[in-house]
Amino acid sequence: ETGVTQSPTHLIKTRGQQVTLRCSSQSGHNTVSWYQQALGQGPQFIFQYYREEENGRGNFPPRFSGLQFPNYSSELNVNALELDDSALYLCASSYLPGQKVYNEQFFGPGTRLTVL
Amino acid sequence: AQSVTQLGSHVSVSEGALVLLRCNYSSSVPPYLFWYVQYPNQGLQLLLKYTSAATLVKGINGFEAEFKKSETSFHLTKPSAHMSDAAEYFCAVRGGATNKLIFGTGTLLAVQP
Repeated sequence: ETGVTQSPTHLIKTRGQQVTLRCSSQSGHNTVSWYQQALGQGPQFIFQYYREEENGRGNFPPRFSGLQFPNYSSELNVNALELDDSALYLCASSYLPGQKVYNEQFFGPGTRLTVL
Repeated sequence: AQSVTQLGSHVSVSEGALVLLRCNYSSSVPPYLFWYVQYPNQGLQLLLKYTSAATLVKGINGFEAEFKKSETSFHLTKPSAHMSDAAEYFCAVRGGATNKLIFGTGTLLAVQP
């Protein structure tokens, strides 16, 4: 069974650029959540996708957007990058039998984004 | 709204000593609580979870946590620390009737030989 994978592992961008991060969910999972972990902080919830629809969003501006594909993999897009966007971006997948239930989330290794 | 507070951003113990990492929660509904571990340059691994069953929860690698409603606490313990336990530990609570997690700021555990 393949776990959650993320690409790329590291990325360096300059302020104002756009970035796309990718996540492949674990086999059998239908939900992907994205978290931002700034240096020295705990992860913060960005948003979640359940069966290709957004299913909850944290306190992040609209320039953070996402997508989930029919195979349940996902992308996180960030436009107009700011220095404060430098962080480890984690994705987590899970299987939800319904929209409002909870099930264990399995985390990927993350993508380290540096904005210069 | 749900939140967790981790007391102590850095904890240092000697190998073989008791590990105690503190977490207090705030929740308007019966909480689901979690402890995760993060090794350097890696993602998060679930250590254990409380989902309203037994109040003493046993997890992997010899860790356990006790849910105490009267104290709104969910402290993580391990009787005897091992060098391989050195990592960052995060307490988290389920965000209400959703599938999101709300994390604390983390506690970095150092284990001295």
